[in-house]
Amino acid sequence: DAKTTQPPSMDCAEGRAANLPCNHSTISGNEYVYWYRQIHSQGPQYIIHGLKNNETNEMASLIITEDRKSSTLILPHATLRDTAVYYCIVRVLPPIYNQGGKLIFGQGTELSVKP
Amino acid sequence: DAGVTQSPTHLIKTRGQQVTLRCSPKSGHDTVSWYQQALGQGPQFIFQYYEEEERQRGNFPDRFSGHQFPNYSSELNVNALLLGDSALYLCASSTQGDYNSPLHFGNGTRLTVT
Repeated sequence: DAKTTQPPSMDCAEGRAANLPCNHSTISGNEYVYWYRQIHSQGPQYIIHGLKNNETNEMASLIITEDRKSSTLILPHATLRDTAVYYCIVRVLPPIYNQGGKLIFGQGTELSVKP
Repeated sequence: DAGVTQSPTHLIKTRGQQVTLRCSPKSGHDTVSWYQQALGQGPQFIFQYYEEEERQRGNFPDRFSGHQFPNYSSELNVNALLLGDSALYLCASSTQGDYNSPLHFGNGTRLTVT
């Protein structure tokens, strides 16, 4: 079962910041939060990930709460090309080292960026 | 630097047939994972291969099997196809044990079972 909860859909005006929330209240101390997006049934595209600290890269920022039970993905200036399904994922560590490390996807948030 | 490549891109099969899908991982990666994505759903983990062995498996029947070759490429085999096996099959590669680095996905194989 997915370890994350996201709103099914969100709208954002072009040029504005898109803030996508995610709840992961059962996350373990050494599990990472990953964000991917998927456009038109292409393969999921990696956006950003983090463990405890806030992270920023050329695509987005990731804000993780201090208790690590939730996070927010921020697209600072959304464009029409950012319309996609966004997945917040907890990377489940294997019970034995070097025996896995799978991603468990939920339903994701369908973000629509409108002109 | 080529990313994850999958072949074929599309495939149509008949119920009861068998299918083989192929994946080449991103250069430098040694682990391949397979996911099934039904229409309108998030990807579901099938299994993961590392050092030519299946390391983790999701909730999929034995009709789904795989293989990893010495060059790290991988195959997904599905026997006795059912209509419900119609889906986008995604391959992802990574480096085993490095959980601080992302999985990289290919664009998938769209399988249609009629």
